[in-house]
Amino acid sequence: KNQVEQSPQSLIILEGKNCTLQCNYTVSPFSNLRWYKQDTGRGPVSLTIMTFSENTKSNGRYTATLDADTKQSSLHITASQLSDSASYICVVSEGGSNYKLTFGKGTLLTVNP
Amino acid sequence: NAGVTQTPKFRILKIGQSMTLQCTQDMNHNYMYWYRQDPGMGLKLIYYSVGAGITDKGEVPNGYNVSRSTTEDFPLRLELAAPSQTSVYFCASIRGQGGETQYFGPGTRLLVL
Repeated sequence: KNQVEQSPQSLIILEGKNCTLQCNYTVSPFSNLRWYKQDTGRGPVSLTIMTFSENTKSNGRYTATLDADTKQSSLHITASQLSDSASYICVVSEGGSNYKLTFGKGTLLTVNP
Repeated sequence: NAGVTQTPKFRILKIGQSMTLQCTQDMNHNYMYWYRQDPGMGLKLIYYSVGAGITDKGEVPNGYNVSRSTTEDFPLRLELAAPSQTSVYFCASIRGQGGETQYFGPGTRLLVL
């Protein structure tokens, strides 16, 4: 069964600090890996999308890495801001024509002043 | 563009009642999805569609039905509502295959009592 596991489940950091979130997956065949940000009470918003051949991708202060051999990804947040407080979801897309996406449960990040 | 819109935002149903959750996208996307998100859990796929007239079951389709008569609209029908269907429902869309951005609606919060 395709699975996406994220760690830690939750994380509290001080404003201005950096943090790294982890994602392990067993989805096969692999098409791409996505990181989403979900603010409380809102729909997820896409941060990055990486295909098999991409090792890293940045979006402002967010940098995602992908190791397709070990089936691991990370999301690094630099110089955190209060507005970064949200759930961060790792999503892996299966290859093929039906284009299914498997969602992790998310890491709940709280940035305190 | 309005993106993905959902109505209603919130609804309370009695056990056994039926309702339709509306979803519309104005981006001419081919792929549309319905997910449910329970507290502390990842998004689970209910149904998806790869184009008008084509729908398929996701991970948790029981108790739901969908139709896709146009590219823009993808309504989700709940028949005989049960307390287990209390959740937040998100509609999403992607233009096509490949590493394209998935866009989410704001969600519909449903409470079945």
